[in-house]
Parts: sequence; structure tokens; C-alpha cells
Amino acid sequence: KNQVEQSPQSLIILEGKNCTLQCNYTVSPFSNLRWYKQDTGRGPVSLTIMTFSENTKSNGRYTATLDADTKQSSLHITASQLSDSASYICVVSNQAGTALIFGKGTTLSVSS
Amino acid sequence: NAGVTQTPKFRVLKTGQSMTLLCAQDMNHEYMYWYRQDPGMGLRLIHYSVGEGTTAKGEVPDGYNVSRLKKQNFLLGLESAAPSQTSVYFCASSLRDNYEQYFGPGTRLTVT
Repeated sequence: KNQVEQSPQSLIILEGKNCTLQCNYTVSPFSNLRWYKQDTGRGPVSLTIMTFSENTKSNGRYTATLDADTKQSSLHITASQLSDSASYICVVSNQAGTALIFGKGTTLSVSS
Repeated sequence: NAGVTQTPKFRVLKTGQSMTLLCAQDMNHEYMYWYRQDPGMGLRLIHYSVGEGTTAKGEVPDGYNVSRLKKQNFLLGLESAAPSQTSVYFCASSLRDNYEQYFGPGTRLTVT
């Protein structure tokens, strides 16, 4: 069964600290892996999209990694800010944009 | 450039009532999608469209109908609302299949 599992479910960190969110998937065939940020009460916003051949991709303070062999991805946030408080969703595509498998998300809270 | 917009933002229905959710995009995207997001679950695809005049079923299509009469608009209809359809509904669009999806702000629907 195609699944995307994220950990931890929630995380609290102090402003300025780094953190890493995990995503494991069992989707096959694999096309690409996406990370989205979803602020409370808003729609998801894309952070990165990685294909099979890409093992790292950055977007400002966000860096995503992909290990297609172990079917794992991580999202590293550097020097966290209060505005990073959101849900981070890992999404895997198995060859079609109409067949995205969404994780349940990790809720990150950044406190001052 | 407004991106993806959704109307209305909030709605309360009684069981058995009908309504239509409107999604509009101004990016000239071919693909459009309707998702629902429920607590503790990942987003799930309801219906999608690969171009003007086309529609197709997603993962959870029962109880919903859609239409794409114009390229920029994608309508989601509930003919006879049920409490199980209480959810947050997101519309998204993408230029082509498996490209980045841009999400609207969501519609929070409560069916009593």
C-alpha cells in the first residue's frame, strides 16, 4: 500500500534553533517528493520538489534531502523563526500529479 | 496575479442542502484539483480536471460533482450535504501533470 509517514507528529523548538523533520514513504513507482508548508487556516505552499536523481535541494533556510534507496526524506530548518510555526507536509508522487500521496504532516511550533 | 482563489471562505449547511464551491485561477493552468482535509489525515483528492471541459474522479469522489466549463474555473458541488462532508476543502492548480501545485486558501464547510 502506498503510504507516507512523517515524524515527529509535533515539535516545539526555541527561536534560532535548528530542527529536522522526517518523512518515510513506501510509494512505488516513485516520481517526485515534495515538501509543503501550511500555515494555520491557509492552503499549503510548496517549499521543494525533488526527483529521483536529486538528493538535496534548498529554499532559503529550508533544505530537503532525499535518499531514494532507503525511501527517506528530511526537511532541515536552519535558524528557526517564529514565522516557521506551521504544519509541514511531505507528499510523494507516483508518476502523476493526480496521484499524490500526502503525509499527515508535522506541526512545528517555534517559541521565543 | 491573485493565484488561486476560493469562494466562499466559510459555510454552514444543514443536512440535505446543496451548495457549490467556486475555484478560480489566473495562471492559465491546465490542471485543477479539489481536495479535502480532515483532522489527523492527509489531504485526499476528490476530483480533478486535466483541461477545460474534462473532469475525473479522485480518491474520494462519492457525494460530490464537478464541472470545468471555463479553463480558469473549477466548481465543486454537493447535491445533498451530509455531516461526513464537514471538512476544509482546498482547490489547487498546476501548469501540467506532475508539476508544482498551487493551492487556494480553503473553504471551511460545516454540515449540521
